[in-house]
Order: sequence, then structure tokens, then C-alpha cells
Amino acid sequence: GAVVSQHPSWVICKSGTSVKIECRSLDFQATTMFWYRQFPKQSLMLMATSNEGSKATYEQGVEKDKFLINHASLTLSTLTVTSAHPEDSSFYICSARSPNTDTQYFGPGTRLTVL
Amino acid sequence: AQSVTQLDSQVPVFEEAPVELRCNYSSSVSVYLFWYVQYPNQGLQLLLKYLSGSTLVKGINGFEAEFNKSQTSFHLRKPSVHISDTAEYFCAVSEITGKLIFGQGTTLQVKP
Repeated sequence: GAVVSQHPSWVICKSGTSVKIECRSLDFQATTMFWYRQFPKQSLMLMATSNEGSKATYEQGVEKDKFLINHASLTLSTLTVTSAHPEDSSFYICSARSPNTDTQYFGPGTRLTVL
Repeated sequence: AQSVTQLDSQVPVFEEAPVELRCNYSSSVSVYLFWYVQYPNQGLQLLLKYLSGSTLVKGINGFEAEFNKSQTSFHLRKPSVHISDTAEYFCAVSEITGKLIFGQGTTLQVKP
């Protein structure tokens, strides 16, 4: 149990385009999901907390207009990187919090490369 | 504010030897503590967690960790490592809100 999927697993796009990443909790309902960014050889940096049915809470320094988060259902959150630029290239990881276990379960990550 | 410090960025060890990965945290409130493992180009997998109760926590793949409140530590241990344990290990702390704060990570390199 407690499986979280992400789609796509990798994406290459041109500068200026937008990219949507999906995060799904497959076998549990998650009222809260989280989006992280990870640079090579570094730890995870929390970008935002996504709550079902309400606006996401962004961490300091994260542009909410650039990283759009939608948590439309208890099993799906999406992150859209708008007008992507090469500096947005990174590994994006989502997690879903299980209300029964107070534990975050992580997706496999999405590698974004912006040319 | 909470913080997590993983004292070793890299830990090289020979196969079948014991290993300890160190983690210290700071927090003014009660916390939950976690260890996650990350294999290359993958997400994080939960190894074990401490929420309450017994301070010695057993996880998957033969790992265990001990919560020490007085020393604010949550060190991860395994009595005998395998080549397949080579990975990045992250210690994390969270409050009741669920927000996780990660340490910098420790690379465990198991040598034959």
C-alpha cells in the first residue's frame, strides 16, 4: 500500500513552454500533497504544500505564478511549470501524506530538462 | 525553527560491516522523525519512522534507528551492509502539520 505515482518520469521542453506534472496517490486519499525540488547531489527543497480544494501554500522564495499547483481531488495534484527556462531544469518530486499514518509517501520523481 | 543535521556527507564501508549514519535535529516542539533512502534517479522510499512509543525503531532492509530525546539524535544503524544498500539516505523531521524538513543527506558507499 501507500503508492504514489508521478507522470511523466522525464520531460524535455523548449524554453518558454509550460510543462504539467501529475502526482497521484494510488491506494489512499491524501488531503495534503507536497512538491519538492532537488538539484544534483543536494537535499530536497520543499516548494509548496498542496491542500485538496484550497490554494497551495508556497515556501518563501518560490514564485507561485511560475509554479502553479492544483489539488483538484483527494488523489491528484498537479504542478505546472509556466514559461519554463533552463534554470528550471531539475528533479521534481511529489509526496502524499497519509492521514492514517502521518507519513509522507514519495513519488518516483520527474526529471525536467528545459532547452 | 526546526532543522536537521546529518553529520557525515559520505560514509564508505566494506560489505558485511556495520554502519551508523548520524542525524541530529533541533526543535522546540514534539516531532516525528523519519529516515528515507533514495536510489539514483528515483524518489524517496521510507525506511523507518518514529512517531511515539518505543525509542528503538526497526525498519525495512534490516535498518533500525534509536530516538534519543536528550541528545536530540536519531541515528540509523545496520549490523551488516550489502552492496545494494549503496544509496543516498535522508533524515527528516516533521511537526504535526506534516511539513518535512530534510537533512543534507548522507551517501552510503558499500565496497566489496
